[in-house]
Amino acid sequence: DIQMTQSPSTLSASVGDRVTITCRASQSISSWLAWYQQKPGKPPKLLISKASSLQSGVPSRFSGSGSGTEFTLAISSLQPDDFATYYCQQYKSYPYTFGQGTKLEIK
Amino acid sequence: QVQLQESGPGLVKPSQTLSLTCTVSGGSISSGGYYWSWIRQHPGKGLEWMGYIYYSGTTYYNPSLTSRLAISLDTSKNQFSLNLNSVTAADTAVYYCARRGAVAGLFEYWGQGKMVTVSS
Repeated sequence: DIQMTQSPSTLSASVGDRVTITCRASQSISSWLAWYQQKPGKPPKLLISKASSLQSGVPSRFSGSGSGTEFTLAISSLQPDDFATYYCQQYKSYPYTFGQGTKLEIK
Repeated sequence: QVQLQESGPGLVKPSQTLSLTCTVSGGSISSGGYYWSWIRQHPGKGLEWMGYIYYSGTTYYNPSLTSRLAISLDTSKNQFSLNLNSVTAADTAVYYCARRGAVAGLFEYWGQGKMVTVSS
């Protein structure tokens, strides 16, 4: 299985801050990486596919980058609605695997 | 707009079979070449992809679960189901059904999730 490791596990930030979350794969996954946002009691929401393609309706303050084994999710100017847990997911090979999550908290 | 909804018991006894159904609305489960998946989330933990069933009936399971897992399709009811046998407390989780896209392994549509507790 391809292991996905996110850092940090928890991130404290303020409204208006720029933040980045890193996701590392245990082997190359090319650009077959997705990012999801999850709020308490809700299912994950797909934000970004193929490492950097924003899904329709996702605010442009979200961006993704990277390829191979290292990827980044950036949020340029945090809004109150962005405080949530973020997961990366590889879909290069079965079984699909997710990172352990990064909880973005209000400072 | 496709919508998915999980249903089934919220409490299962150890060693028994966990059975959940996902009802799909807003689209036919037997068209479009989509992959109908189950994903679970242990309390306070990350996400684990369990497996999928293709509209043709072909299945693929996570190797960690393949000996205990079965996913089936009921096109007449526009539903797909999960059966996980020989459950233990480690199977306590929120179970999500989700639709994987036709081309890539992205989960675009999700149910709201069903909490299942394994306890005597």
